[in-house]
Amino acid sequence: DGGITQSPKYLFRKEGQNVTLSCEQNLNHDAMYWYRQDPGQGLRLIYYSQIVNDFQKGDIAEGYSVSREKKESFPLTVTSAQKNPTAFYLCASRDGGTVEQYFGPGTRLTVT
Amino acid sequence: GQNIDQPTEMTATEGAIVQINCTYQTSGFNGLFWYQQHAGEAPTFLSYNVLDGLEEKGRFSSFLSRSKGYSYLLLKELQMKDSASYLCADVPSGYSTLTFGKGTMLLVSP
Repeated sequence: DGGITQSPKYLFRKEGQNVTLSCEQNLNHDAMYWYRQDPGQGLRLIYYSQIVNDFQKGDIAEGYSVSREKKESFPLTVTSAQKNPTAFYLCASRDGGTVEQYFGPGTRLTVT
Repeated sequence: GQNIDQPTEMTATEGAIVQINCTYQTSGFNGLFWYQQHAGEAPTFLSYNVLDGLEEKGRFSSFLSRSKGYSYLLLKELQMKDSASYLCADVPSGYSTLTFGKGTMLLVSP
């Protein structure tokens, strides 16, 4: 059963702690993406990766880091430098020959 | 999403027709997506338009005018389950990313 998984669905952290959100896909897609969604803001691109061991900053990369050591996995670390980390985080993937992105179920991060 | 404009909210009644508009910047344009997103869930694909004209898929249709930088999503025979956010996204040059609008929250009432 192919798809994109993100875990956990809900995540709670204390301010000042780094936290890593997981994203795994078994669609054999080349490209993967991380978006942040806040109320009234739509989806904003944090980072994306088109091939293993390579990634590019999106529009709001400050305070975040990523790695792409395997094709299937694209974890996102929310660092303590991110001023407003509480948000809904969505991971997506895309086959190299197409433009459509497929989304995971999302992780809602709450930092207090 | 900068350069993409869509209304923030719309309301309609069950059984009616609603049109959600989206305008975008025309330079470097490679197509336009519409996604549906229910609260707290992943966006799901509705349509992708590259050429001018109307594409119909059941109760949903999407229209594109490249020269005017304009698209709309038409929803017919509205059902309560159509209450959701509708996201417009364009494909900039390079094809590697999407630029999303802020989404239109549609509320369908009985």
